[in-house]
Amino acid sequence: GAGVSQSPSNKVTEKGKDVELRCDPISGHTALYWYRQSLGQGLEFLIYFQGNSAPDKSGLPSDRFSAERTGGSVSTLTIQRTQQEDSAVYLCASSLQTGFGTPGYTFGSGTRLTVV
Amino acid sequence: AQTVTQSQPEMSVQEAETVTLSCTYDTSESDYYLFWYKQPPSRQMILVIRQEAYKQQNATENRFSVNFQKAAKSFSLKISDSQLGDAAMYFCAADGGSQGNLIFGKGTKLSVKP
Repeated sequence: GAGVSQSPSNKVTEKGKDVELRCDPISGHTALYWYRQSLGQGLEFLIYFQGNSAPDKSGLPSDRFSAERTGGSVSTLTIQRTQQEDSAVYLCASSLQTGFGTPGYTFGSGTRLTVV
Repeated sequence: AQTVTQSQPEMSVQEAETVTLSCTYDTSESDYYLFWYKQPPSRQMILVIRQEAYKQQNATENRFSVNFQKAAKSFSLKISDSQLGDAAMYFCAADGGSQGNLIFGKGTKLSVKP
């Protein structure tokens, strides 16, 4: 597509429920990144994919968080047993490459997750 | 570890005037990229300007320019002739090196007064 698409735009869920957040990157972008932005905070790096593989999952806040990417395209971030502290905006970005010299990302508009 | 610091949580500027947003960073890399992103209320992060560390010349994009001081690890953003549409959160970011993930500061909220 022309841009990075994220769905849903907003999600309200009850504490303890599982949620899935979707990111559809720009066609041809091999690198995909997930960030979390809590109220009044900067962007916290969660995970990145080069193709379908995620070399480093250490940024995920807990084992309730997981992410996958299939076909080198769409990625899904899953949060199990959601907690109120998971409430944040989840941003996805893609780029042509990863590694040194990343020319900069293209971001989606994010998913605002509210856990009640 | 790389860190990016924005010491100004909020800034305000009068329309048509100039404002400078500060950013300092720490990295062990010899070559890297630095970025400024704008985030309006729509949440969409927009790349404003990019600087390659090995280039001494400061990057410029229309009304936006940077003052890059490599030795001081400083990377400030100057916005000239400020417009109401410039009101947003501005994030400074540094190339994270081998992973390619960007490290972001906590942002500066810019208000533009008419």
